[in-house]
Amino acid sequence: GAVVSQHPSWVICKSGTSVKIECRSLDFQATTMFWYRQFPKQSLMLMATSNEGSKATYEQGVEKDKFLINHASLTLSTLTVTSAHPEDSSFYICSAREGTDTQYFGPGTRLTVL
Amino acid sequence: QKEVEQDPGPLSVPEGAIVSLNCTYSNSAFQYFMWYRQYSRKGPELLMYTYSSGNKEDGRFTAQVDKSSKYISLFIRDSQPSDSATYLCAMSYGNNRLAFGKGNQVVVIP
Repeated sequence: GAVVSQHPSWVICKSGTSVKIECRSLDFQATTMFWYRQFPKQSLMLMATSNEGSKATYEQGVEKDKFLINHASLTLSTLTVTSAHPEDSSFYICSAREGTDTQYFGPGTRLTVL
Repeated sequence: QKEVEQDPGPLSVPEGAIVSLNCTYSNSAFQYFMWYRQYSRKGPELLMYTYSSGNKEDGRFTAQVDKSSKYISLFIRDSQPSDSATYLCAMSYGNNRLAFGKGNQVVVIP
């Protein structure tokens, strides 16, 4: 199947700093990528849909100024958590859409904000 | 996001048993139905994908969809310890977005 990578796999930062997470589709081009957040023992919650060359579409309740998404190429989308706070600590997972419906997920990035 | 109900209670079965998982939903707009497997601290891995009512088999896995009852199931035959993971149901809606269930943690005991 298609491979999606994320970098970094984990990050620890101080409160108030910004963190950038990369999502790459390694062997296919993805016009659409998705960003999810998963708290312990909870389901994946969709944060935003990232479309190559256009602005991301955010789900209700997700602050677009706090979670900046850039999808500059068909194989790369980035999520920047700006001015991170401890409540932003979570597991962030991206997925990339291949073809019409199948989404392939990255391995996730664990963010811990101190 | 649209709501998907999945009883998150852990499930322990002996090796070789059949694992039965299910999800219910209320929104008729869901178009495609998927099952993902997620190991601890890893991203979800697509197991099964279907869009019509009925059964779909892939090796030891069978996905079942009943659109009239808004109910989907996943069966794992001859379960193995390596099947121990969290299983998430997911359903697609507008613009290929996915709504996930909470996931079932499955433990297969050797």
